[in-house]
Amino acid sequence: GNSVTQMEGPVTLSEEAFLTINCTYTATGYPSLFWYVQYPGEGLQLLLKATKADDKGSNKGFEATYRKETTSFHLEKGSVQVSDSAVYFCALSVPGGGSQGNLIFGKGTKLSVKP
Amino acid sequence: DADVTQTPRNRITKTGKRIMLECSQTKGHDRMYWYRQDPGLGLRLIYYSFDVKDINKGEISDGYSVSRQAQAKFSLSLESAIPNQTALYFCATSDFIRGYNEQFFGPGTRLTVL
Repeated sequence: GNSVTQMEGPVTLSEEAFLTINCTYTATGYPSLFWYVQYPGEGLQLLLKATKADDKGSNKGFEATYRKETTSFHLEKGSVQVSDSAVYFCALSVPGGGSQGNLIFGKGTKLSVKP
Repeated sequence: DADVTQTPRNRITKTGKRIMLECSQTKGHDRMYWYRQDPGLGLRLIYYSFDVKDINKGEISDGYSVSRQAQAKFSLSLESAIPNQTALYFCATSDFIRGYNEQFFGPGTRLTVL
């Protein structure tokens, strides 16, 4: 079946450190891949997406590249800020009718950035 | 104004009570979803609806029911609340026309069952 595995947290970094949150997936067909972010007290919001192999999604300094050969979509940021403290969710959606199109989420990785 | 709204934002209730959580959207999307979030478990899908007449069970539908009153409204009910239904509940909508399922989330309802 379809599934997403992401690194467990919490992850604690100092401001301006480099961030990587690993995400790997198992899917039938050719999924679209997403990173969602949940700031404290808020709902999830889309951070970035990639819809086909080798696509790079980017937003707010975050990047992730859709690697079909390694079934991965790792999230990276070169220099984190305190305001990046949040929970990050990797997710996939498989094209197709019915429930196939539903999002499947990883369990989330909590990031805390210290000044 | 927010595109996806949820009411109430917080609710404390007692075991055995009936509770309704409401979700409204102004995005014009056909698809709506209810999720539950628990620490360490991520998001789990409770119910989803592709249009007013199409409602489907998700991963953890036991103990819950839903009603899609209109394209813009999707309600979640707990017929007889129990303490292990204490969680953060999210409504989401999506538009599949572009071929991928980007979902838009409401701010969440924090439910505590005593």
